Amino acid sequence: AQTVTQSQPEMSVQEAETVTLSCTYDTSESDYYLFWYKQPPSRQMILVIRQEAYKQQNATENRFSVNFQKAAKSFSLKISDSQLGDAAMYFCAHTTSGTYKYIFGTGTRLKVLA
Amino acid sequence: DADVTQTPRNRITKTGKRIMLECSQTKGHDRMYWYRQDPGLGLRLIYYSFDVKDINKGEISDGYSVSRQAQAKFSLSLESAIPNQTALYFCATSDTTAARGEQFFGPGTRLTVL
Repeated sequence: AQTVTQSQPEMSVQEAETVTLSCTYDTSESDYYLFWYKQPPSRQMILVIRQEAYKQQNATENRFSVNFQKAAKSFSLKISDSQLGDAAMYFCAHTTSGTYKYIFGTGTRLKVLA
Repeated sequence: DADVTQTPRNRITKTGKRIMLECSQTKGHDRMYWYRQDPGLGLRLIYYSFDVKDINKGEISDGYSVSRQAQAKFSLSLESAIPNQTALYFCATSDTTAARGEQFFGPGTRLTVL
């Protein structure tokens, strides 16, 4: 069965500093996708970054990047130059190609300190 | 205009009442999903539908039912609401043909059952 684990319920970071949010997953499939979603106080779910399992190169979107370790089944999110607007709940998610049944982690609440 | 809409945005009801949450999308996606979000538990899948004639139970379907009235509409019903169904409910869509694999979320419905 697919599982996604986020072991950090809450994290804090100083403005302009870097923070890494952890995510591990478990799957027996070889073709799958991984995602990080951001949920600000508005509660809207916003896609931050995605990674295809077959790509070895880590995905990057501006200040957001991932460290994808396929063998270890780890998918961490790094936020560089943290901004006040980055304060939100972050969810890691996983789906397999073919089923498109998505499994979410329990979330990490990120606080950004001015 | 939003691509995925949910009505109502907020609802307070009493134990035993029947409640319907509605979701509409203009993205033309074939796959639609209903999730509930609870603090500390992340998003959990209630039901999902891959087309009008294909509806599947998720991990927490007990106490819920769904209807896929058209490709663009997917409704979630609570036949007899109970207090532990108090949660934030999200509708989401994804596209079978898209290589990106991501989901698109509605704005959420905050449901309170007294």
